[in-house]
Amino acid sequence: DIQLTQSPSFLSASVGDRVTITCRASQGISSYLAWYQQKPGKAPKLLIYAASTLQSGVPSRFSGSGSGTEFTLTISSLQPEDFATYYCQQLNSYPAFGQGTKLEIK
Amino acid sequence: QVQLVESGGGVVQPGGSLRLSCAASGFTFSSYGMHWVRQAPGKGLEWVAFIRYDGSNKYYADSVKGRFTISRDNSKNTLYLQMNSLRAEDTAVYYCAKGQLRYFDWSYFDYWGQGTLVTVSS
Repeated sequence: DIQLTQSPSFLSASVGDRVTITCRASQGISSYLAWYQQKPGKAPKLLIYAASTLQSGVPSRFSGSGSGTEFTLTISSLQPEDFATYYCQQLNSYPAFGQGTKLEIK
Repeated sequence: QVQLVESGGGVVQPGGSLRLSCAASGFTFSSYGMHWVRQAPGKGLEWVAFIRYDGSNKYYADSVKGRFTISRDNSKNTLYLQMNSLRAEDTAVYYCAKGQLRYFDWSYFDYWGQGTLVTVSS
């Protein structure tokens, strides 16, 4: 089974900051990676798929990069509505999620 | 607009059974693979099961294989999850999710329901 490890697990930042979350796969997954955002009590929302393609309607301050085993999600300038938990997901084999990164307000 | 509405959650004793439903609307349900994903309280996301657009293929996480059965009724635009031999560790919010691409088995999850809570407790 392919394991995904996100870092950091917790991140404290301020409005306007640039933040980066990393997702590492235990084996190569090409570009079969997505990022989801989840707010408390809500369903996850697809942000980025195929490692770097922005889902329709998602603000351009979100971007994704990487291939193989290392991937990043970057938020260029944090907005108040971005404080949430972020998950990566691989689709190279049976779907699997990373453990999550909780982004909190500093 | 795409809508997915889960129902059927509740409290059940260990060893018991429950059937979840997910009513879909706003898209051609019979053309898309569908998933169940769960989230234990305060924990991360865990993929549970997948069913192909026509029901001809199904996949399960090892943690539920042999106990859970995914199915669909394309005439009713409804997805199901039959859960048997329930354990305390199955306690979670269960989400249905739609695959992004028509007719593909593995594609990203572009729409999710609001979730239904299953609690396994005596």
